[in-house]
Amino acid sequence: AQSVTQPDIHITVSEGASLELRCNYSYGATPYLFWYVQSPGQGLQLLLKYFSGDTLVQGIKGFEAEFKRSQSSFNLRKPSVHWSDAAEYFCAVGGGSNYKLTFGKGTLLTVNP
Amino acid sequence: NAGVTQTPKFQVLKTGQSMTLQCAQDMNHNSMYWYRQDPGMGLRLIYYSASEGTTDKGEVPNGYNVSRLNKREFSLRLESAAPSQTSVYFCASSGPGRNQPQHFGDGTRLSIL
Repeated sequence: AQSVTQPDIHITVSEGASLELRCNYSYGATPYLFWYVQSPGQGLQLLLKYFSGDTLVQGIKGFEAEFKRSQSSFNLRKPSVHWSDAAEYFCAVGGGSNYKLTFGKGTLLTVNP
Repeated sequence: NAGVTQTPKFQVLKTGQSMTLQCAQDMNHNSMYWYRQDPGMGLRLIYYSASEGTTDKGEVPNGYNVSRLNKREFSLRLESAAPSQTSVYFCASSGPGRNQPQHFGDGTRLSIL
């Protein structure tokens, strides 16, 4: 069965600092990996996705993520965090024939001025 | 450019009442999904419809029923609401192919007293 672990429930960073959110997955074949962001009271917005090819993928809002098969990880990074990045971030894995995604429990990001 | 539209946005029910949550997408997507989101639990799949005319159970289907009315619409019904079903419900859709991301609506916030 596929699963996703986001080890950090809550992370606090200062504005302008770098950010890395961790995601570890379990999947029996080549995974399709996604990062979503959710602002308070909103739905989930896709940040980026990985299917194959280059293991470093670029997304919207200056985010990037690196797929590391050997570590079963897909960590999200941003060089310099803005106050507007405060939100909850979800990692998801899919790839099965039924198109289902399995989501992690999320990491809440707080940005201090 | 509506995307995925959910109605209503908020609802309060009494225990034992019934309710149908509506979802419609205008992206001509084949697959549609219903999730519930609870604090600290991430998103859990209730039901999904891989294509028009088919529905399947997800991780937490008990107490819910769904109808894929046509390609655009996928409704979720609570026949006899229980306080444990207090949650935020999200509908999502995705295009053909296992590597397609899911697009989310803004959610329905449901409280059951």
